[in-house]
Amino acid sequence: DAGITQSPRHKVTETGTPVTLRCHQTENHRYMYWYRQDPGHGLRLIHYSYGVKDTDKGEVSDGYSVSRSKTEDFLLTLESATSSQTSVYFCAISPQLAAEEFFGPGTRLTVL
Amino acid sequence: AQSVTQLDSQVPVFEEAPVELRCNYSSSVSVYLFWYVQYPNQGLQLLLKYLSGSTLVKGINGFEAEFNKSQTSFHLRKPSVHISDTAEYFCAVSDGDNAGNMLTFGGGTRLMVKP
Repeated sequence: DAGITQSPRHKVTETGTPVTLRCHQTENHRYMYWYRQDPGHGLRLIHYSYGVKDTDKGEVSDGYSVSRSKTEDFLLTLESATSSQTSVYFCAISPQLAAEEFFGPGTRLTVL
Repeated sequence: AQSVTQLDSQVPVFEEAPVELRCNYSSSVSVYLFWYVQYPNQGLQLLLKYLSGSTLVKGINGFEAEFNKSQTSFHLRKPSVHISDTAEYFCAVSDGDNAGNMLTFGGGTRLMVKP
């Protein structure tokens, strides 16, 4: 498995609270991505990064922000969690354009 | 932007039977195509990919897929499935014409192999 870890693996929180999910890689890959997985929707891209401090929005970015201060770490923040953000969140990495993406184990987030 | 349709949300099949999981994408001059598998409570792992060359692509665990440009399809096949193939399968496409390799995923097909 590619060296990707996500933390926490499970989290339950309440509506309105801030939440930060962490993705850590040991592969030194340039590109990092955050997806959410919901039944019937497959995976949808939230944000991605193409380098340190270089990020851009994906398909479903509203309510989420990201930061990448080091190559190995990509943080996803929900500033004020809502129940619609209950989902499984996956981080992925890739070394170059059009290359396959390697996925982390996922974080299951429940917002009550 | 690309869109990907996986026509079957669930596919039940008996062990040792053949299976085909269907994937269609919106048209583009150049595409890169991927199939991923997700076992329960795990992340996604790559089964196979098409970037160029032969339209028949072989992947891990005995799976193969055929790129059909005229039908904008990339169906996944296996001649004889095992119980261990029970998982969710995702087709993904990236637009080879544009910079950036963001993938667009289909909604997934749950393969259920029965004894």
